[in-house]
Amino acid sequence: QKEVEQDPGPLSVPEGAIVSLNCTYSNSAFQYFMWYRQYSRKGPELLMYTYSSGNKEDGRFTAQVDKSSKYISLFIRDSQPSDSATYLCASPGSAAGNKLTFGGGTRVLVKP
Amino acid sequence: GAVVSQHPSWVICKSGTSVKIECRSLDFQATTMFWYRQFPKKSLMLMATSNEGSKATYEQGVEKDKFLINHASLTLSTLTVTSAHPEDSSFYICSARLSGGPTVGYEQYFGPGTRLTVT
Repeated sequence: QKEVEQDPGPLSVPEGAIVSLNCTYSNSAFQYFMWYRQYSRKGPELLMYTYSSGNKEDGRFTAQVDKSSKYISLFIRDSQPSDSATYLCASPGSAAGNKLTFGGGTRVLVKP
Repeated sequence: GAVVSQHPSWVICKSGTSVKIECRSLDFQATTMFWYRQFPKKSLMLMATSNEGSKATYEQGVEKDKFLINHASLTLSTLTVTSAHPEDSSFYICSARLSGGPTVGYEQYFGPGTRLTVT
């Protein structure tokens, strides 16, 4: 079992819809979580980082962590065609200084 | 802030030659940088962790004599692919970890990547 798992998609939504992305992780010691966005042939861009359970909001993005079920989510409101990309969840695990473990990424397509 | 650059963005080389890729943190100091490799439609694969002033730590299965990493300063790390072969063709991405940030320094910021094609 991979430590961090994502549905590969593709996830196709109409413009303006809410995009809902999820990751599961297997190690209950994981505490820090990040979401990255990667456009084709580009490096990943950090979108959100969270620690512990709960919600964190930044503009159109909301990150959610549910440690009881080892489930993390990213919601994108009012989606735009420019949001079409691959979204990667990642975690350095139990310690902030650890190397990142990435999910496989979910490809999102927002149709105008 | 937190910008990481890579140079070159794209390189073609002949089999048997060596290629150097630079990774720079432009507006912050990074004691730790990471090198990843990514195949088409696949996630990132960590190759090595590079700490300023010390030897890099390579992941299992990564040949350290083939992928030479040097982290000579707090803003520059280089990856040299030695005696390149066509199977080394890939997208190479570096990241730099911000030290002393609001989340206790674990955010990694990625460069734009370097596409290497070995003919």
